[in-house]
Amino acid sequence: AQTVTQSQPEMSVQEAETVTLSCTYDTSENNYYLFWYKQPPSRQMILVIRQEAYKQQNATENRFSVNFQKAAKSFSLKISDSQLGDTAMYFCAFMTGAAGNKLTFGGGTRVLVKP
Amino acid sequence: GAVVSQHPSWVICKSGTSVKIECRSLDFQATTMFWYRQFPKQSLMLMATSNEGSKATYEQGVEKDKFLINHASLTLSTLTVTSAHPEDSSFYICSARDSGRVLGQPQHFGDGTRLSIL
Repeated sequence: AQTVTQSQPEMSVQEAETVTLSCTYDTSENNYYLFWYKQPPSRQMILVIRQEAYKQQNATENRFSVNFQKAAKSFSLKISDSQLGDTAMYFCAFMTGAAGNKLTFGGGTRVLVKP
Repeated sequence: GAVVSQHPSWVICKSGTSVKIECRSLDFQATTMFWYRQFPKQSLMLMATSNEGSKATYEQGVEKDKFLINHASLTLSTLTVTSAHPEDSSFYICSARDSGRVLGQPQHFGDGTRLSIL
């Protein structure tokens, strides 16, 4: 079974600064997909970024980028130029076709952006 | 973009009542939908995988007779919490996978249902 671990329950960052969220996972699969989701106080699940395991290039979406280290099974998220609207819970998630495309979520990291 | 509509967004009812939650994919077909439960300040926990035209697949520890899932069409899955009790109070979220897209594409989430049992 796959597991996803987010070791930082809570992080705070000053507006305009950079924050990095860690995520590690455990799997015996070689082909899989990794995601970061944002859940603001409204509790909507918003996709932040997606990474395919067979791609070595790290995914980037505007101010959000990942550091994907396949051998280390690590998938960290960097938020640059943090904005007040980035305040939310962030969940790392893992998906593989072998598991029926189910998403396995990490425990989440609460990010607070301070003005 | 792909939209998933979940209804109702909030329901309060008495203990012993059965509550139905709907999850609809509005602009795509979804042979597979997923139901999650989320307790306050915790992560999403997968309850079951809903399969169009067949029985749902429940995760270990989830009572299938308590949480009835029906996926009768390519755009609608329902979760019925039967004889709900206060311990069933939680936030329930559905997601759907676009059947027309390749594997590995992100699931699309509904906005969730806050269920409060008095």
